[in-house]
Amino acid sequence: DTAVSQTPKYLVTQMGNDKSIKCEQNLGHDTMYWYKQDSKKFLKIMFSYNNKELIINETVPNRFSPKSPDKAHLNLHINSLELGDSAVYFCASSQDQGVAGTEAFFGQGTRLTVV
Amino acid sequence: ILNVEQSPQSLHVQEGDSTNFTCSFPSSNFYALHWYRWETAKSPEALFVMTLNGDEKKKGRISATLNTKEGYSYLYIKGSQPEDSATYLCASPNAGGTSYGKLTFGQGTILTVHP
Repeated sequence: DTAVSQTPKYLVTQMGNDKSIKCEQNLGHDTMYWYKQDSKKFLKIMFSYNNKELIINETVPNRFSPKSPDKAHLNLHINSLELGDSAVYFCASSQDQGVAGTEAFFGQGTRLTVV
Repeated sequence: ILNVEQSPQSLHVQEGDSTNFTCSFPSSNFYALHWYRWETAKSPEALFVMTLNGDEKKKGRISATLNTKEGYSYLYIKGSQPEDSATYLCASPNAGGTSYGKLTFGQGTILTVHP
């Protein structure tokens, strides 16, 4: 009964491939996010969706395309993978769009390695 | 430019010591300040969400204070235990003139408590 779950946990793939990471939350939250943990271990937001609508797109290359089939799911599809895409990707959710007064709940992360 | 800054970057203490670390954030257009605890190989978990100047929150041996006028928050741990070893992150939804709902994280303070 994990609140925010991502699959897969580890993903090793070759350059040029297309891959997807799935995220599901069972908290009934309206807003979901994708974060990337960069090489300096910072968590940087990539996308935010509220009730299946894109709210934030943080100048991420258009090879990254989020898809939200319903408000409980936010998947991340990556085309033409590059070496620099190797990172840990975290999905998160919160009760409201603003996050201001509500905490974010994170998935366990997906470690993507592009070889 | 990093708008949410934490210090120190890392901290080593002995079991039983009390410790504290700092989060600095832009004081203009303040919405909230979040503290998260991130254990190795796990996902970040919220400790506190603070919204009011002068707020003080407590959870067990961990407490936090907030000064929105000068743009800082302190996290205190009393009587540190080895299980407190983790990275402590703070985040603000308003940092850097960002969109409502975009949490900007600091780089974290890595705490190691030695038995």
